[in-house]
Amino acid sequence: DIQMTQSPSSLSASVGDRVTITCRASQSIASYLTWYQQKPGKAPKSLIYAASSLQSGVPSRFSGGGSGTDFTLTISSLQPEDFATYYCQQSYSTPRTFGQGTKVEIK
Amino acid sequence: QVQLVQSGAELKKPGASVKVSCKASGYTFTGYYMHWVRQAPGQGLEWMGRIHPNSGVTNYPQKFQGRVTVTRDTSINSAYLELSRLRSDDTAIYYCAREVEATAGRFLDYWGQGTLVTVSS
Repeated sequence: DIQMTQSPSSLSASVGDRVTITCRASQSIASYLTWYQQKPGKAPKSLIYAASSLQSGVPSRFSGGGSGTDFTLTISSLQPEDFATYYCQQSYSTPRTFGQGTKVEIK
Repeated sequence: QVQLVQSGAELKKPGASVKVSCKASGYTFTGYYMHWVRQAPGQGLEWMGRIHPNSGVTNYPQKFQGRVTVTRDTSINSAYLELSRLRSDDTAIYYCAREVEATAGRFLDYWGQGTLVTVSS
C-alpha cells in the first residue's frame, strides 16, 4: 500500500497569511494526487486534482504543486472560510490512501 | 445536477451487520466508479472500497477483506456498502463518493451527505 504523510498535522495562521501544507508519498504516484478540504460536519470537497489542477469553482488563492513523491498545497492569502482540515489522497493505485490531515486554525 | 443521497443513521450491536445505501442521480450511474470512505469521530478519512457499477468489479483494502461488501443495483442507480461483524471501532460516518477521470488525474468529485453508523451494546 502507498503511505501518504502530511505535514504539519496542524497549524495556526492569521487571515492574509500564506500557508503551505506538504504531502509525501511512500513511492512515486506521478501526478495522481488530490487535495480535499473538510469543514466540521460536512463531507470533504475537492480543491486540487492531478497535483496542480484547480477544481471548478475553487478560488485561485489555492494552488498545488509537485510530482512523484512530494507535493504541496498553498493558500496564498488565507481567508476566514479557509479554516478547515485538509487531506491529500493518492489515486495512483488501489487501495486509495489519504494523508492523516492538516488542521488549519485561527491564530 | 449530480446528487448522492445516502440512507439514514444506524445503531447496531457489536457482531451485527449494517448496509448503507447511496442513491445517485443527475448523471449516468454506470459510467463512474463509486467509492466508500469512512471517518471515525475526530479522525481522518479511511478508504473502504469501490465498485464500477457497469461491470460490478470491486476493490477493497486488505484491512477489510472478508468483512466489507460493496454492491450496486443499476435498475435504481444505487450503490451499497455492507459491513459485517461490527465492532465499536467501526463507529463512524460512512460516505459514498463518485470518482471522475479528468485529464491526467482522477478524484472524488461528488460526495454523499454521510451516514452515521454507531456500534454500541
